[in-house]
Amino acid sequence: QVQLVQSGAEVKKPGASVKVSCKASGYTFTSYYMHWVRQAPGQGLEWMGIINPSGGSTNYAQKFQGRVTMTRDTSTSTVYMELSSLRSEDTAVYYCARDPPSPNYYGSGSNKFDPWGQGTLVTVSS
Amino acid sequence: QSALTQPRSVSGSPGQSVTISCTGTSSDVGGYNYVSWYQHHPGKAPKLMIYDVNKRPSGVPDRFSGSKSGNTASLTISGLQAEDEADYYCCSYAGSYTYVFGTGTKVTVL
Repeated sequence: QVQLVQSGAEVKKPGASVKVSCKASGYTFTSYYMHWVRQAPGQGLEWMGIINPSGGSTNYAQKFQGRVTMTRDTSTSTVYMELSSLRSEDTAVYYCARDPPSPNYYGSGSNKFDPWGQGTLVTVSS
Repeated sequence: QSALTQPRSVSGSPGQSVTISCTGTSSDVGGYNYVSWYQHHPGKAPKLMIYDVNKRPSGVPDRFSGSKSGNTASLTISGLQAEDEADYYCCSYAGSYTYVFGTGTKVTVL
C-alpha cells in the first residue's frame, strides 16, 4: 500500500536548522509530486512548498523563500525538507503529502494531497 | 498569499446537514477547479475528502459533497455522524505552482 513515513521528532535551538525526511513506498516515487505542509500549535494548515521527485524542481511559498530547501534522493525514495534560521514560531508539526501531476497545468500538482505522512513535530526552544 | 476564509466552527445534530464555506479570490478558488477538502482529527494525518471541487476519492462516504460558485467553495456533510466531528480545511491551487489552505473549520456533532 502507498505509505509515507516521516522521521522522528526534533528539538532545535533558535537559529539552527532542521531536516525532516519523508520515505515513500508502494508506488513509483518519481511519478508523483510531494508537498510539505505544517501546522503550528492551535493554528491551521499552511502550505510550504512542492518538489517534483523526478527532476528535483521545487517551488516554495513566498513566506519561506530563502529559508526552506526541499530535496530528494531517488535511490531511497525519500524527500527532505530543511528549514533554516529557526525561530519559536516554526514550532509545528510538519507533514509531507503526495500529489499526482496535473493534467492541465504543466509542472504542477493536482491539489489532491493523498496520502499524508504521519507528521513530524519540530520544537524550537532555547 | 492570504489564507482562504472559513467559518471558525459549525455544528449540527446527528442526521442533520452542515455546510462549510471557503472564500478566496479570483486568483485562487475562483480561478481554478482545483479545490480540495481535508478532514483532520487531532493527532492524526489529514485525510482527503474532496478533490477537483466535487469529486470523492474511493472510500469517502457519499454524505460528503463539494461545490463551488464564483470565489467560494463549499463542503456539505449530509446525515451528520459522530465520527464526522473533526477540523476541516479547504485548499486551492493559486497559480504559479502555489497552493493555499483555508483557515479551518471545527465541526461539532451535538
